[in-house]
Amino acid sequence: KNEVEQSPQNLTAQEGEFITINCSYSVGISALHWLQQHPGGGIVSLFMLSSGKKKHGRLIATINIQEKHSSLHITASHPRDSAVYICAVKQAGNTGTASKLTFGTGTRLQVTL
Amino acid sequence: DVKVTQSSRYLVKRTGEKVFLECVQDMDHENMFWYRQDPGLGLRLIYFSYDVKMKEKGDIPEGYSVSREKKERFSLILESASTNQTSMYLCASSSPGGKNTEAFFGQGTRLTVV
Repeated sequence: KNEVEQSPQNLTAQEGEFITINCSYSVGISALHWLQQHPGGGIVSLFMLSSGKKKHGRLIATINIQEKHSSLHITASHPRDSAVYICAVKQAGNTGTASKLTFGTGTRLQVTL
Repeated sequence: DVKVTQSSRYLVKRTGEKVFLECVQDMDHENMFWYRQDPGLGLRLIYFSYDVKMKEKGDIPEGYSVSREKKERFSLILESASTNQTSMYLCASSSPGGKNTEAFFGQGTRLTVV
């Protein structure tokens, strides 16, 4: 079983829909990242959080440390949101000089007109 | 604007060739990482480096080596490329320590070994 599980693996939505992507993990963590990867490959960091909730524009990320679960929400989705969304965790105790991350396999989102 | 730059977006190499993938960052980060990304497997860590000339194996180092002669540059070397090394390779960098360390990624190199 992967230490970081995402659901769904694939998601198709119509423009304007509210989207939720889920991430569950089985290890203790010190931080969780949400990343976005567009076709072509480059990865952009959307959020890094260790508790509570963060919001940036139409994107909202929440985390529940007790339940070992995080969600990424996209409000008023748009075709330009089409990408792969990746959850990654930094395991607790991993506070050495190299901040190694463990990644989920990603959720492929397609937003259509 | 912070940048992690990988030398090539696409590469095609023959089996047995020695392949160099270069990564440069302009953020003066101590930590640099090489990952490969395969469908259904996500990103897997090959090697990382926390300082010049320092390196550690990640989860899948077999068939790879790395070089970090300068702080800004981290090279991934495939000593003798094989078809099972066909993949997307991603470089990342971060500053050291603490739980709030953000990672910055390059644009990826899609390597095909024929």
